Amino acid sequence: GQQVMQIPQYQHVQEGEDFTTYCNSSTTLSNIQWYKQRPGGHPVFLIQLVKSGEVKKQKRLTFQFGEAKKNSSLHITATQTTDVGTYFCAGPTGTASKLTFGTGTRLQVTL
Amino acid sequence: DTAVSQTPKYLVTQMGNDKSIKCEQNLGHDTMYWYKQDSKKFLKIMFSYNNKELIINETVPNRFSPKSPDKAHLNLHINSLELGDSAVYFCASSQDLDYRETQYFGPGTRLLVL
Repeated sequence: GQQVMQIPQYQHVQEGEDFTTYCNSSTTLSNIQWYKQRPGGHPVFLIQLVKSGEVKKQKRLTFQFGEAKKNSSLHITATQTTDVGTYFCAGPTGTASKLTFGTGTRLQVTL
Repeated sequence: DTAVSQTPKYLVTQMGNDKSIKCEQNLGHDTMYWYKQDSKKFLKIMFSYNNKELIINETVPNRFSPKSPDKAHLNLHINSLELGDSAVYFCASSQDLDYRETQYFGPGTRLLVL
């Protein structure tokens, strides 16, 4: 079945350093969503990318959808402790209503 | 005014027991989901319902039975609980079946089977 992998699985950075997580799908995606899950919390929607090569920014977060629509990335500039959590990408697979979530990247930020 | 709520938040039970988790959304959405998140944080869809109709039923043991009395509620009943059922179960909802719709997650139910 379709797989959505993310790397790295885990990253520990010092506050102020940059962070990037990469999302790779085994098949072409019509769109991709990103979610953030704080420790002990639930996934919260961040953004959706639809077009090939699309780049969107939310303050210090930059999201990119690959030209072939099989990969995506999330880059955080100058991380803060509030960025701590697990970041998931998710793309539609099979039936229209099914989102396959990536394996997630856990980000730890220390002072 | 919580958008998606689940009860209970925590559930500790013995192997072999039967338990239920309830979910309600007040967003007026047509579609609801159950996800299972294991200890490695992998998030896997189990079921989805649209207007009370079962749409997705992943390869989940038939000990798990969802029930949607109306489109604002999706409950999950688990029979004969096993150790491997220990996980966090998230309910979610979206406006409709369109895969471009945002999914809104509940706070999760942490199930521990002893």
